[in-house]
Amino acid sequence: DIQMTQSPSTLSASVGDRVTITCRASQSISSWLAWYQQKAGKAPKLLIYKASTLESGVPSRFSGSGSGTEFTLTISSLQPDDFATYYCQQYNTYSRTFGQGTKVEIK
Amino acid sequence: EVQLVESGGGLIQPGGSLRLSCAASGFTVSSNYLSWVRQAPGKGLEWVSVIYSGGTTYYADSVRGRFTISKDNSKNTLYLQMNTLRAEDTAVYYCAREEMVRGVYAFDIWGQGTLVTVSS
Repeated sequence: DIQMTQSPSTLSASVGDRVTITCRASQSISSWLAWYQQKAGKAPKLLIYKASTLESGVPSRFSGSGSGTEFTLTISSLQPDDFATYYCQQYNTYSRTFGQGTKVEIK
Repeated sequence: EVQLVESGGGLIQPGGSLRLSCAASGFTVSSNYLSWVRQAPGKGLEWVSVIYSGGTTYYADSVRGRFTISKDNSKNTLYLQMNTLRAEDTAVYYCAREEMVRGVYAFDIWGQGTLVTVSS
């Protein structure tokens, strides 16, 4: 099975900061990677798919990059609404796997 | 409106069975990939199972042989039959659609979740 490892697990940042979260796959997944945002008590929300394509309606301060085994999610200027937990997720024919999550906290 | 609504969660004893339902509206289950994803209290997301539009199914190792995913195209509803439940199956269970038409291959629509608690 493909394992997904996110870092860091927790990130403390201030409004306006540039934030980067990393996700590594245990084997190549090409560009089959998505990023989600989840707030407490709510279902996850799709932010980015195919590693770098912004989902409709998602603010342009979110961006994704990478291919193969290393991927990043960047928030160019952190906003109050962005404090949440972020997950990466890989897709292949036989399974899907989520990273363990990165909690973005107020510094 | 495109949405998914889960039902069927509750308190069940270890070793028991439960069936979750997920009613779709605004799109047809027959032509979409649908998954179950769970989240234990205070923990991260765990993919459980997927059913493809043609009916092919796949499972996470943690539930294979105990859980069965299925769908009823006439009712536009997804199901998860859970047998031999364990305490570690306690979680909020979400159903989610994988968007294929736009080539997204990610979970673009999620239900609100239903809580399953396995405890004596």
